[in-house]
Amino acid sequence: NAGVTQTPKFQVLKTGQSMTLQCAQDMNHEYMSWYRQDPGMGLRLIHYSVGAGITDQGEVPNGYNVSRSTTEDFPLRLLSAAPSQTSVYFCASSRGQPKNTIYFGEGSWLTVV
Amino acid sequence: KNQVEQSPQSLIILEGKNCTLQCNYTVSPFSNLRWYKQDTGRGPVSLTIMTFSENTKSNGRYTATLDADTKQSSLHITASQLSDSASYICVLSRYGQNFVFGPGTRLSVLP
Repeated sequence: NAGVTQTPKFQVLKTGQSMTLQCAQDMNHEYMSWYRQDPGMGLRLIHYSVGAGITDQGEVPNGYNVSRSTTEDFPLRLLSAAPSQTSVYFCASSRGQPKNTIYFGEGSWLTVV
Repeated sequence: KNQVEQSPQSLIILEGKNCTLQCNYTVSPFSNLRWYKQDTGRGPVSLTIMTFSENTKSNGRYTATLDADTKQSSLHITASQLSDSASYICVLSRYGQNFVFGPGTRLSVLP
């Protein structure tokens, strides 16, 4: 049981480049989400999905796109990378019930130069 | 103003000692309050989940308390171990999957 798997672990991009962070879960969870974590701040929600084919914006969605074609996968696309997007990105998944545990991936460290 | 604040920002204790981490929040109403442990370079891992009507929840050496009147929660760690060195994050769930994360407290346990 792999849980939530994120790739790549580390990435350096040049300003203006695009890339996709991959996220997959094998727990058949309905909910999946992407967060970014910056020094001294709590995790902030970028985008989330309540099921295949359904996505919605979180607190900081600008500059990012997502899609949810399957229950298992929830990729995050950076359209035109900016230095302000330098951060650690976490993918998470959970079942739909309010008290269910959120499972996080191991994180993707992204640097935009 | 942050809706979830944590104190102290960082803490250093000796192995075997107890410690208490604080979480103050203004999020209201909320459905549950969670504490997560995040090791350096890893994703957060769930420690406890409490509904707004629960006062305390334990997970081994970790005990979380909640005072809804003062809007405070604490995480008490008993008999600390070197492996407790991590960041501890307080998280409130407003509704559904809408979560508000605190900035975390960085705990270092020294031998």
